[in-house]
Amino acid sequence: AQSVAQPEDQVNVAEGNPLTVKCTYSVSGNPYLFWYVQYPNRGLQFLLKYITGDNLVKGSYGFEAEFNKSQTSFHLKKPSALVSDSALYFCAVRDSGSARQLTFGSGTQLTVLP
Amino acid sequence: GAVVSQHPSRVICKSGTSVKIECRSLDFQATTMFWYRQFPKKSLMLMATSNEGSKATYEQGVEKDKFLINHASLTLSTLTVTSAHPEDSSFYICSARRGASSYNEQFFGPGTRLTVL
Repeated sequence: AQSVAQPEDQVNVAEGNPLTVKCTYSVSGNPYLFWYVQYPNRGLQFLLKYITGDNLVKGSYGFEAEFNKSQTSFHLKKPSALVSDSALYFCAVRDSGSARQLTFGSGTQLTVLP
Repeated sequence: GAVVSQHPSRVICKSGTSVKIECRSLDFQATTMFWYRQFPKKSLMLMATSNEGSKATYEQGVEKDKFLINHASLTLSTLTVTSAHPEDSSFYICSARRGASSYNEQFFGPGTRLTVL
């Protein structure tokens, strides 16, 4: 069975500072990895995904994520945080073998302080 | 492109009544749609997977008779919460997978806030 772990429920960072939201995964085959963002009372918005290729994936709104196979991690990063980045972030994995549905992490609430 | 809509966005109903939530893929066909439930500040819990023209596959612990799912066309899936109770109050999110391939990307609707009084 596939699983995703987001070890931090809450991440606080000052505006302008770099941010990292952590994610580790477990799958039986090659992973398809995703990051989504959710604003209050809204659905999920796609940020970026890793399927294959370069380990550093660039996505929407200046976010990027680094795929690390040896550490089974897919941390989300941004060089300079904005107050408007404050939201709930979800990491998700889809096993390329079963290729059925996404499994989500528990979510990390990011708060960017002005 | 790849827009998924949900209707209604918010609904308040009395205990014992039924509520229908619609999920539409506006600019693509979706053979497979997913229904998720989200509790406050919690992750998304997959409730069921629906394939157009066939019965939905429910996750363990989800009552089939309580959460009726119909996927009658390639652009519409509905979730009906029957005999709703306050504990059914939640945020329901649908997702649609573009096309027929199970490798295709999922797109998410904006969610429906259900409050049962």
